[in-house]
Amino acid sequence: DIQMTQSPSSLSASVGDRVTITCRASQTIRRYLNWYQQKPGKAPKVLIYAASSLRSGVPSRFSGSGSETDFTLTISSLQPEDFATYYCQQSYSIPRTFGQGTKVEI
Amino acid sequence: QVQLVQSGAEVKKPGSSVKVSCKASGDTFNIYGITWVRQAPGQGLEWIGGIIPIIGTSNYAQKFQGRVTITADKSTSTAYMELSSLTSEDTAVYYCAREFRGGGWFDPWGQGTLVTVSS
Repeated sequence: DIQMTQSPSSLSASVGDRVTITCRASQTIRRYLNWYQQKPGKAPKVLIYAASSLRSGVPSRFSGSGSETDFTLTISSLQPEDFATYYCQQSYSIPRTFGQGTKVEI
Repeated sequence: QVQLVQSGAEVKKPGSSVKVSCKASGDTFNIYGITWVRQAPGQGLEWIGGIIPIIGTSNYAQKFQGRVTITADKSTSTAYMELSSLTSEDTAVYYCAREFRGGGWFDPWGQGTLVTVSS
């Protein structure tokens, strides 16, 4: 199975900050990497798919980059509604696997 | 707008089984896959398995092999996830989601179904 490791596990930030979350795969996954946002009590929502494609309707302050084993999710200017937990997920192979999550707190 | 609507919360005894349904709108079953993910209280996301309804093939995470069955009824656009031999460690919110074939991302997700296993 492909292991996905996110860092950090949590971070504290302020409104307006630039935030970067990294995700590393245990083997190459090319660009089969997706990012989700989850708020308490809610289902996850996809933000970025195929490493860098922004899902329609997602604000442009979210961006993704990377390939092979190293990936990044960046929030260019953190907004109050962005405080949530973020997960990466590889879709290169079965079983699909997720990172452990990064909680973004005030 | 595509929606996935799941069945309601369940309380089960240890050793029993649970079957969660996921009804999809639109062309989901003709084009996409359906995947199942669970989340234990306070924990992260865990992939259980998925199905491609138009073909009928299923894949499962090794951890659940032999204990989970994912099926799809094309006539009603409803997918099912049945998990047997339940223990307290199966207490979780179970989500279904549409999987984009070829790309493998999950969008949208169902609202989630809480399964509580307790004696």
